[in-house]
Amino acid sequence: DTAVSQTPKYLVTQMGNDKSIKCEQNLGHDTMYWYKQDSKKFLKIMFSYNNKELIINETVPNRFSPKSPDKAHLNLHINSLELGDSAVYFCASSPAGVNTGELFFGEGSRLTVL
Amino acid sequence: GQQVMQIPQYQHVQEGEDFTTYCNSSTTLSNIQWYKQRPGGHPVFLIQLVKSGEVKKQKRLTFQFGEAKKNSSLHITATQTTDVGTYFCAEEYGNKLVFGAGTILRVKS
Repeated sequence: DTAVSQTPKYLVTQMGNDKSIKCEQNLGHDTMYWYKQDSKKFLKIMFSYNNKELIINETVPNRFSPKSPDKAHLNLHINSLELGDSAVYFCASSPAGVNTGELFFGEGSRLTVL
Repeated sequence: GQQVMQIPQYQHVQEGEDFTTYCNSSTTLSNIQWYKQRPGGHPVFLIQLVKSGEVKKQKRLTFQFGEAKKNSSLHITATQTTDVGTYFCAEEYGNKLVFGAGTILRVKS
């Protein structure tokens, strides 16, 4: 069983389209995250939810909207996609915030905007 | 925002040579974590260091946390081709984990 699973793994779309990435964790963790990794491998946190509640919202454009229907799921919807949104998006989870140790990452969703 | 500085950015070594990546912070860290990301893969947790001067080993990997808790290093002895990937340090900043820029390791066999 995959602990943190994301879908889709690959997404190729045109500028201006809207797309969603889904994430689910079966670890029973309270906290989930979205990270963006650019072409230079830099990992930047975007959002964090603890038990369905938004706790971190980095300076991310409003076109990005996370949704957590329950603590096992964290989805990311992106409106009006731009070329600069091309990246690998990683979902991650941790037991109860970063202070409790390691993050468990999903396999990533590679988004290509043409 | 707070970010640890990680060097070098890239390292190409011959198989069997040693490799070290360093992370430095201008402020005292509560702890530091290390992750490895294989090419095409996702970051995988390696270790967390908490105590000043702490040294931990995992087979050929040695992790150190500085006495002042402002720097950390990961040393790999006698690299193998399976060591290729990007190694990240990460620090807690507020209630989030902030990653260094990573060191990309390539191993020539």
